[in-house]
Amino acid sequence: AQSVSQHNHHVILSEAASLELGCNYSYGGTVNLFWYVQYPGQHLQLLLKYFSGDPLVKGIKGFEAEFIKSKFSFNLRKPSVQWSDTAEYFCAVNAPRESGGYQKVTFGTGTKLQVIP
Amino acid sequence: GAVVSQHPSRVICKSGTSVKIECRSLDFQATTMFWYRQFPKQSLMLMATSNEGSKATYEQGVEKDKFLINHASLTLSTLTVTSAHPEDSSFYICSASDDLAGTDTQYFGPGTRLTVL
Repeated sequence: AQSVSQHNHHVILSEAASLELGCNYSYGGTVNLFWYVQYPGQHLQLLLKYFSGDPLVKGIKGFEAEFIKSKFSFNLRKPSVQWSDTAEYFCAVNAPRESGGYQKVTFGTGTKLQVIP
Repeated sequence: GAVVSQHPSRVICKSGTSVKIECRSLDFQATTMFWYRQFPKQSLMLMATSNEGSKATYEQGVEKDKFLINHASLTLSTLTVTSAHPEDSSFYICSASDDLAGTDTQYFGPGTRLTVL
């Protein structure tokens, strides 16, 4: 069964610092990968996704993520964070079933990012 | 963008009663809807996946007779927690996808906080 690991549970950064949030998944085949963000008091919303093609994916608000197949990783990055990036970030993955169709999307446990002005 | 609403946002009920939570896609047709449960400091746990007009697919360990899901139209899915008990208290989140296989982006509702006394 597929699984997703987010090793950083709580990250605190100062404004303008660079961000990298780790995400590793366990599945040997083709996967679809997502990063979702939940700002305080708001819904989960999609930051970016990777289905195929260029492994460096750019999302909204200056975020990007790189799919490294050999490392089973899909880390989220931003060169310079802002106070408004304070939120919880979830990595998610789904993969095709052998019998056809896709498995459910599996979410990581989330990383809370706190940006200090 | 795609908007998903949930109603109610917060509900308190007595043990033994049933509670219905509605999930609506406001500006797109949701061929697939998902129901999640989120425990404090944990990730989203998928409870079931439903396609319009067909029976929901429940995840292992989720009691289908306790958590009744109806996806009667392309814009509405309901989750009914029957004979609720305090252990059912949780944050329930729905999401919707306009892709039949549910592989594409999921749009999340704001969640419903259920408290069973």
